[in-house]
Amino acid sequence: GESVGLHLPTLSVQEGDNSIINCAYSNSASDYFIWYKQESGKGPQFIIDIRSNMDKRQGQRVTVLLNKTVKHLSLQIAATQPGDSAVYFCAEKSGTGRRALTFGSGTRLQVQP
Amino acid sequence: EAQVTQNPRYLITVTGKKLTVTCSQNMNHEYMSWYRQDPGLGLRQIYYSMNVEVTDKGDVPEGYKVSRKEKRNFPLILESPSPNQTSLYFCASSPWDRRNTEAFFGQGTRLTVV
Repeated sequence: GESVGLHLPTLSVQEGDNSIINCAYSNSASDYFIWYKQESGKGPQFIIDIRSNMDKRQGQRVTVLLNKTVKHLSLQIAATQPGDSAVYFCAEKSGTGRRALTFGSGTRLQVQP
Repeated sequence: EAQVTQNPRYLITVTGKKLTVTCSQNMNHEYMSWYRQDPGLGLRQIYYSMNVEVTDKGDVPEGYKVSRKEKRNFPLILESPSPNQTSLYFCASSPWDRRNTEAFFGQGTRLTVV
């Protein structure tokens, strides 16, 4: 069946280092892949997305990479800050049907001072 | 301020007692959804609505109802709550656009059914 999953449940990094959060997906028909950030006590918040016909997209301090050959998605955060501590979800979206977001189980990023 | 507002934030209830969680958005979005979040399972869609009076089941609809009488409101109804519906619930809204991947989420409602 369709699934979007994560390799590691918790990632601990030092402040100032770069973080890489990984995600595996199985639905090759998805049009978009998205990263959301969820801080404690809040709802998920959109970070960045990438269309399925792209392999890289950059935002402010974040880069998303898509490798369709191995069905792998990653989020790179440059110069990780304490405010980046949160749970990160990858999600996929199809442009047809009910157009729901299908979320992975999440990775907790802990930034050590 | 653009936002999705859910109420209540926290709710403890007993098995079988009907409850409603309200959701309202002020962005004139067509698409609204309810998700539940459980440890290790991420967020799973319960119901969604593509516009007023148009609703349909998501991945885990059993035990839930919704209605969409107005564009801004999308309440989640539990007619007879059971302990397995203890969870963290999120309402989300977004424009009805295949390219739009940014959903706006409410703050969440933590429901405990005893």
